[in-house]
Amino acid sequence: AQTVTQSQPEMSVQEAETVTLSCTYDTSESDYYLFWYKQPPSRQMILVIRQEAYKQQNATENRFSVNFQKAAKSFSLKISDSQLGDAAMYFCAYRSGQGGSEKLVFGKGTKLTVNP
Amino acid sequence: EAGVAQSPRYKIIEKRQSVAFWCNPISGHATLYWYQQILGQGPKLLIQFQNNGVVDDSQLPKDRFSAERLKGVDSTLKIQPAKLEDSAVYLCASSSLAGRFYNEQFFGPGTRLTVL
Repeated sequence: AQTVTQSQPEMSVQEAETVTLSCTYDTSESDYYLFWYKQPPSRQMILVIRQEAYKQQNATENRFSVNFQKAAKSFSLKISDSQLGDAAMYFCAYRSGQGGSEKLVFGKGTKLTVNP
Repeated sequence: EAGVAQSPRYKIIEKRQSVAFWCNPISGHATLYWYQQILGQGPKLLIQFQNNGVVDDSQLPKDRFSAERLKGVDSTLKIQPAKLEDSAVYLCASSSLAGRFYNEQFFGPGTRLTVL
């Protein structure tokens, strides 16, 4: 079974600074997807960024980028120019690419605080 | 385009009572998911439907939980009887099998259940 580990329960960053959230995963599959979701206090999960395992190029979405190290099974999220609105729980998630169940397997999350 | 709708937003019940949650996915989304998110953890899939058929219910406690999606559109999740450990946020998500957002899961705002 696939597992996702987020080793940082909490992180804090100063507004306008850069922060990196860590995620490692375990799988024997070669075809899969990785995601970072943001969950503000409103509870609604919002997709931040996705990475297909077959792509070597790291995904970027504006201020958000990932460092995908397939051999090390590591998938970290970098947030540049942090804003107050970035404060939330961040979840790393895995999804198999091999068909059948498309469930997301989530880590336990990292609570990000942005200080003004 | 309307997002995933869920109701109620909050529910408080006593143990051994029954409760039902409702989810209306994004129009045209064939796949619907129910996740359970216990405080301090990431969401865990309970059941996945494709149209009105069950794809994955391996983590659904079938002695007390049931779910249906009779017409392949909206869905209900029921707990009967509830236990203290069922206190959690219940998230519904949906995804499309085609288009620009192929297989991306869109989440609803969730229902927070408290069992006393």
